[in-house]
Amino acid sequence: GQQVMQIPQYQHVQEGEDFTTYCNSSTTLSNIQWYKQRPGGHPVFLIQLVKSGEVKKQKRLTFQFGEAKKNSSLHITATQTTDVGTYFCFNAGNMLTFGGGTRLMVKP
Amino acid sequence: DGGITQSPKYLFRKEGQNVTLSCEQNLNHDAMYWYRQDPGQGLRLIYYSQIVNDFQKGDIAEGYSVSREKKESFPLTVTSAQKNPTAFYLCASSSTGRDSPLHFGNGTRLTVT
Repeated sequence: GQQVMQIPQYQHVQEGEDFTTYCNSSTTLSNIQWYKQRPGGHPVFLIQLVKSGEVKKQKRLTFQFGEAKKNSSLHITATQTTDVGTYFCFNAGNMLTFGGGTRLMVKP
Repeated sequence: DGGITQSPKYLFRKEGQNVTLSCEQNLNHDAMYWYRQDPGQGLRLIYYSQIVNDFQKGDIAEGYSVSREKKESFPLTVTSAQKNPTAFYLCASSSTGRDSPLHFGNGTRLTVT
């Protein structure tokens, strides 16, 4: 089935620093969704990207979908302690595949 | 409030016993899913159902079984054939269309000793 690779696996940042996680696929994706899972919680839907080259913003979060629709990124500007959690990309595709997630830790 | 309810939150079982995890939704969603999450890991698909009385295996279906007799309910049975059943189990649902966002329940943490 389709494989969605996500990097990095972990990221420690100082509060106020920026953070980016990347999601890569060897095949073209119909869409990409991003989820956030707080420690001890369940994944919560953040956003969906559908169009080639699409960019969407939610406050300090910027989501991009690559021109070839094979990669996507989530960028957080000026991280806060409330951003702590694991960020997953997801493609419905053929096998409803989640990326492995990037765990973000923020030092106050 | 509309949502997905998983019960119980914590479940303990002895090795060799079957155990059934409950998942109920009142979102009127057609599709329901079961994922397994191991510590520090991503989510792996066990089973999914897009319509009542029909379901498909995911990546790691071995040792698990499901039923979908009602739209609202999608219980997961962890059988004694599952070699490493201790994990966090997440149920999700979505409206029609495979690209619809997933809504997750709070999960059931199963420990088998």
